[in-house]
Amino acid sequence: DSGVTQTPKHLITATGQRVTLRCSPRSGDLSVYWYQQSLDQGLQFLIQYYNGEERAKGNILERFSAQQFPDLHSELNLSSLELGDSALYFCASSDQGREPQHFGDGTRLSIL
Amino acid sequence: GNSVTQMEGPVTLSEEAFLTINCTYTATGYPSLFWYVQYPGEGLQLLLKATKADDKGSNKGFEATYRKETTSFHLEKGSVQVSDSAVYFCALRSGGADGLTFGKGTHLIIHP
Repeated sequence: DSGVTQTPKHLITATGQRVTLRCSPRSGDLSVYWYQQSLDQGLQFLIQYYNGEERAKGNILERFSAQQFPDLHSELNLSSLELGDSALYFCASSDQGREPQHFGDGTRLSIL
Repeated sequence: GNSVTQMEGPVTLSEEAFLTINCTYTATGYPSLFWYVQYPGEGLQLLLKATKADDKGSNKGFEATYRKETTSFHLEKGSVQVSDSAVYFCALRSGGADGLTFGKGTHLIIHP
């Protein structure tokens, strides 16, 4: 158990819809990272938050956004969903020392 | 930009065989290098890491040496077990960015 909790585990929705994925980091970790794992693109870094502020952006689409709340949990919002957004979305957390990054078990998003 | 290339597999071995999974990278500056392992239905777990040239990371019988001259970080284990069956990811973190760049992953299957 990594201590990182992601909900829900599975999400099934339709094209054009909007979903929110939630992540609770390990106790004491200030950084939260979001990654997307898909068959064609592999594992890609999307975005990082540190203590409530956006710290770094990777290959995140404009239709996607994230935020980190004062209690340090984070949400990833995906809107105008397309079939190609079907993937496993991982959250990871670390303390201010950057690593190691501890990964949650992921949310599997299926777009029908 | 940064990139990681690793053999995709599947790699199929018998128990007690010697394992090598090749990983090479392209990065700006002096990256930190990592191997993560993903068991079915779970998130990624850090297996080992190296932060500078000639460092050797090791854990659970696995080893990898940071080779700057060949830009490589090959994973080795002298005697694999059935329980080592998983997907292995080589990754790097470079410069000021905290997000990890991953290879495509190598599926390892160990037969008794």
